Amino acid sequence: AQRVTQPEKLLSVFKGAPVELKCNYSYSGSPELFWYVQYSRQRLQLLLRHISRESIKGFTADLNKGETSFHLKKPFAQEEDSAMYYCALSGWGETSGSRLTFGEGTQLTVNP
Amino acid sequence: KAGVTQTPRYLIKTRGQQVTLSCSPISGHRSVSWYQQTPGQGLQFLFEYFSETQRNKGNFPGRFSGRQFSNSRSEMNVSTLELGDSALYLCASSPQGLGRSGYGYTFGSGTRLTVV
Repeated sequence: AQRVTQPEKLLSVFKGAPVELKCNYSYSGSPELFWYVQYSRQRLQLLLRHISRESIKGFTADLNKGETSFHLKKPFAQEEDSAMYYCALSGWGETSGSRLTFGEGTQLTVNP
Repeated sequence: KAGVTQTPRYLIKTRGQQVTLSCSPISGHRSVSWYQQTPGQGLQFLFEYFSETQRNKGNFPGRFSGRQFSNSRSEMNVSTLELGDSALYLCASSPQGLGRSGYGYTFGSGTRLTVV
């Protein structure tokens, strides 16, 4: 079974402070991890994929298979980062089709 | 390049009725998935279609069904609506689906269904 846990429903930081949104997963096979972001009144958007190892809008995330985590980090938060963030998991190379399992989401607020 | 388009944006239906929602994926995308988003349950997977075939299905009752056409457009149908079906229904498309392709899904804006 696939499971994604985001322990913090709400996270509030000040502008310029570092931010870390936690994500832990449970999956017996090889996982494929994603971070999605939903800004106010906008559609869900893909932020990061673990396989691309890229930095988007200053955010990075590293897959730690030992700790089964995929935390999202940014060294200096900006007010425009305020949004709902979802961690999501899919099975890598599954032959039974594709499905994303989402965490409950973390609402990030960056205060001025 | 047009994004994922869902119609209608809003729907109000009465308990017991049925509803059909439509999704047009990004041109060239062959995989279409549907998700239900509610405040209590979050984002839950409904089903995924690829080349007109349902490849994967979530844990929803049989009242929820879908299909995909040869042009990759997809519809989902909910019969005998219940109050608990009120939700935002999201469609997402991908070139091949997840797995080894490494692609994420591109989501539409959703259809807000209210059952009264």
